[in-house]
Order: sequence, then C-alpha cells, then structure tokens
Amino acid sequence: DIQMTQSPSTLSASVGDRVTITCRASHSISIWLAWYQQKPGKAPKLLIYRASSLESGVPSRFSGSGSGTEFTLTINSLQPDDFATYYCQQYNSYSRTFGQGTKVEIK
Amino acid sequence: QVQLVESGGGLVKPGGSLRLSCAASGFTFSDYYMSWIRQAPGKGLEWVSYISTSGNTIYYADSVKGRFTISRDNAKNSLFLQMNSLRAEDTAVYYCARDRARASDCWGQGTLVTVSS
Repeated sequence: DIQMTQSPSTLSASVGDRVTITCRASHSISIWLAWYQQKPGKAPKLLIYRASSLESGVPSRFSGSGSGTEFTLTINSLQPDDFATYYCQQYNSYSRTFGQGTKVEIK
Repeated sequence: QVQLVESGGGLVKPGGSLRLSCAASGFTFSDYYMSWIRQAPGKGLEWVSYISTSGNTIYYADSVKGRFTISRDNAKNSLFLQMNSLRAEDTAVYYCARDRARASDCWGQGTLVTVSS
C-alpha cells in the first residue's frame, strides 16, 4: 500500500502568514493527490484535486503543487477561517490513503 | 443541491453487525463512484471502501476486508455499508462521499458507530 506522510503535524501561524504543508508518498502517485480541510465536528471539504486543480468555490489563496512523490499545499495570506486541520489523500492505487493530518493553529 | 445523508449508526457489541445507509439527492447518483471514509474519535481520516458506478468495481482497506461489504442501489439513489464482526477499533464516524475526478467532492454529515460491550 502507498503510505502518505504529512509534515508538519502541527503548525502555528498568524493571520496574514503564508503557510506551506508538505505531503510525501511512499511511491509515485503521478498527480493523483487531493487536499481537504476539516473543522471540528464537520465533514471534510475538498480544496484541491489532481495535485493542483482548485475546487470550485475555494478561495484562490489556496494552491497545490507537486507530482510523483512530493506535494505541497500553500495558503497565501492566512485568514481566520483557515484555522483547521488539513489532510492529503492519494488516489492512484486501488486503495486510497490519507495523510495523518496537519493542524493549523493560531500563533 | 447535492446532499448525502448517512443513517444506521449506533451502539453495537463486539462481534455484532450494523448496516449503514447513505441517501443521495441533487445529482445523478448512478453517474458517480462513491466511497465510505471513517474517522475514529480524535483521529485522522481513514478510507474504508469505494464502489464504481455499476457496482462492478469495489475495493476495501485491508483493515475491513472480509468483514465489510459496500453496495449500492442506483434505482433508490442509495449507498450501503454492511459491517460484520465489528471490533472496538471500528468505532468511528462514518462518512459517505461522492467521488469526482477521483477525489471526494461532496461528503455527508457522518454517522457514529460505537463498538463496545
């Protein structure tokens, strides 16, 4: 199975900061990676699919990049609504694996 | 609007069974792959299973293979997850999700399954 490793596990940042979260795959997954945002008590929300495609309705301050085994989610000018937990997910193989999550906290 | 509503969760003893349902509305259900994803209390997301539009292609996580069965009824716009031989580690909120471009673009609110004696 393909393993997904996210870093960091927790990130402290301030409103207006530029934030980058990394996701590494144990094997190449081409561009088959998605990013989700989850707030406490709520279902996850799709932000990015195919590594860099922005989901409709998602603010343009969110962007994704990467291919193969290394991917990043970048949030430009962090907003109060962005404090949440972020997950990557690979969907290249017959199983679909999530990263362990990155909690973005207020500094 | 697109909506997914899970039901069927609850408290069950170890070794017991439960059947989850997911009612879909607001889109052509038969056009989409569907997935079940779970989240144990205070933990991260874990993909459980997905099913193709016709039901001919199905995959499971190793942790549930042989115990869980995913199915769908396109005529009734419904997705199901039959869970047998339940264990304490199956305790989680179970979400159904619609797959688009191989990502999950729409999620239900989740249903809680608690496995405890």
